Amino acid sequence: GAVVSQHPSWVICKSGTSVKIECRSLDFQATTMFWYRQFPKQSLMLMATSNEGSKATYEQGVEKDKFLINHASLTLSTLTVTSAHPEDSSFYICSASLAPYQETQYFGPGTRLLVL
Amino acid sequence: AQTVTQSQPEMSVQEAETVTLSCTYDTSENNYYLFWYKQPPSRQMILVIRQEAYKQQNATENRFSVNFQKAAKSFSLKISDSQLGDTAMYFCASYNFNKFYFGSGTKLNVKP
Repeated sequence: GAVVSQHPSWVICKSGTSVKIECRSLDFQATTMFWYRQFPKQSLMLMATSNEGSKATYEQGVEKDKFLINHASLTLSTLTVTSAHPEDSSFYICSASLAPYQETQYFGPGTRLLVL
Repeated sequence: AQTVTQSQPEMSVQEAETVTLSCTYDTSENNYYLFWYKQPPSRQMILVIRQEAYKQQNATENRFSVNFQKAAKSFSLKISDSQLGDTAMYFCASYNFNKFYFGSGTKLNVKP
């Protein structure tokens, strides 16, 4: 089956630093990847849709300059949290689909970010 | 935007018993998909079952089945013969126009 990985699985950083999270589709090419944020005991909130070779589409309320998304290849999308602050601490999950507008998504295992 | 509502924050069921998780959604679209995802303590999202809105027949996957009431915009999940491994958060989700909308989740505890 389709497998999506994320790296790192967890990260601790100091306030003011930037953190990059990678999302990889291991055995398929993903033209579209999605980034979600999940607070403790809450649901997944879509942050942005990452399209290979083009700019990401951000959801309303998500700061583009704060959460930089790059989808440079068909198997890799990155989320960079710039100038991280404690309120950015959360669980970040990516997902990927085999084709654009395909309803079946494959989720990564998530990355836990803690900003001190 | 679509909204998905799960009114049961937490539920418990005895092992081998049956439990039903509720979900309602709101959409003005005719073509959409509905899903139930399971998130165990590992936090990995696992697809449990999916339903295409244009299909009237309720989806079934082994011990998992849904009751899809399109007019009422209801999409409940029934778990039969509950197992300890079913303990997890369960999220109901709708999909349309390349976006997923998730409910707030129901924490299911299966007791031995």
